[in-house]
Amino acid sequence: NAGVMQNPRHLVRRRGQEARLRCSPMKGHSHVYWYRQLPEEGLKFMVYLQKENIIDESGMPKERFSAEFPKEGPSILRIQQVVRGDSAAYFCASSGPRGTEAFFGQGTRLTVV
Amino acid sequence: QQQVKQSPQSLIVQKGGISIINCAYENTAFDYFPWYQQFPGKGPALLIAIRPDVSEKKEGRFTISFNKSAKQFSLHIMDSQPGDSATYFCAASEPGGSYIPTFGRGTSLIVHP
Repeated sequence: NAGVMQNPRHLVRRRGQEARLRCSPMKGHSHVYWYRQLPEEGLKFMVYLQKENIIDESGMPKERFSAEFPKEGPSILRIQQVVRGDSAAYFCASSGPRGTEAFFGQGTRLTVV
Repeated sequence: QQQVKQSPQSLIVQKGGISIINCAYENTAFDYFPWYQQFPGKGPALLIAIRPDVSEKKEGRFTISFNKSAKQFSLHIMDSQPGDSATYFCAASEPGGSYIPTFGRGTSLIVHP
């Protein structure tokens, strides 16, 4: 009865490198949401995906950020050419077919040096 | 544009006291209002949730009060304990297949023993 699994838990990247964050939703969940959390701030919505579809990416920066949720495998949040301002905790959540309760993973803490 | 406004930003309560956190929303299409609890280094965990068809929901020491006409809802923690020390987030989501939770900025609660 595993919950939402995110990996890695901690990720350090140098400026200009790529960061790949993975999220495996709870069993039976088909909705995935990515959020970014900065220190002393709330959770900012980034993108909402279902299998093989991006439903809402209104919170995603227009450049360098992309997300996917393939038919097989985890959802991936990809940040290209990372900058110091990308340092944050990135959380993934999943929910069932009718939404409502969203369950969160432990997060990936990205540090850009 | 902050759709869910949460206050206070921080709260200090003595053990056994009542902790009260307030949220206000603007989008009248919201119909699901969860509260999340987050401990340092962890992901947010769903604590309790309410829909607008009821004015109050209680689970143990946690109570949500909901005022639809004022577009406000609040979390009351009765008999607050040091173990309740965490950051609390209110959220709101609307139907239509997505249920993307929109979060408040969070309240850092400290309960002194």
